[in-house]
Amino acid sequence: LAKTTQPISMDSYEGQEVNITCSHNNIATNDYITWYQQFPSQGPRFIIQGYKTKVTNEVASLFIPADRKSSTLSLPRVSLSDTAVYYCLVGEQNDYKLSFGAGTTVTVRA
Amino acid sequence: EAGVVQSPRYKIIEKKQPVAFWCNPISGHNTLYWYRQNLGQGPELLIRYENEEAVDDSQLPKDRFSAERLKGVDSTLKIQPAELGDSAVYLCASSTRQNRNTIYFGEGSWLTVV
Repeated sequence: LAKTTQPISMDSYEGQEVNITCSHNNIATNDYITWYQQFPSQGPRFIIQGYKTKVTNEVASLFIPADRKSSTLSLPRVSLSDTAVYYCLVGEQNDYKLSFGAGTTVTVRA
Repeated sequence: EAGVVQSPRYKIIEKKQPVAFWCNPISGHNTLYWYRQNLGQGPELLIRYENEEAVDDSQLPKDRFSAERLKGVDSTLKIQPAELGDSAVYLCASSTRQNRNTIYFGEGSWLTVV
């Protein structure tokens, strides 16, 4: 399983863009990069998944460079409600033993 | 579409007492997971089911934990007897076989053992 490294915490203010970078130097050819978001008192929620280049949905964008050894989750114009823990996971699409790690705690302030 | 449903939401019990958690996965999801999440940490897998078969229970403390998924739909996770260190959030999740790294979680069952 590819090991991931992401910052423990990040602070931001409302309206700013938040970029969380995840390092996964030993990512395998068949591995996808998946990000989950977890609000306090809730289970994690899938937000985005990608293999290469850029993926965008209504919640976030995921940027993956050509070498795929890292990825950046971008949250545009955050609000207080984006305060959560964000987890970066790397593995094959049929890989059920994905490790969540401790994630990145993003705190958005007014 | 209904999400993963868990109950109870919160449970406080004394040590050595039994406790059980129930989960109803998303309709059509063959794969069901039970995770445990300690404070400040990410979820850790306890057991995975494919339909009614437990295909990976390597992380389940079998001396006190048990789980079942009768008829391949609902599942129950039991702890007997509970210990102080079992205080955690127990998360149920489900997914399709084709995309197991898109996992849908329930809100969790918060257990406090006193």
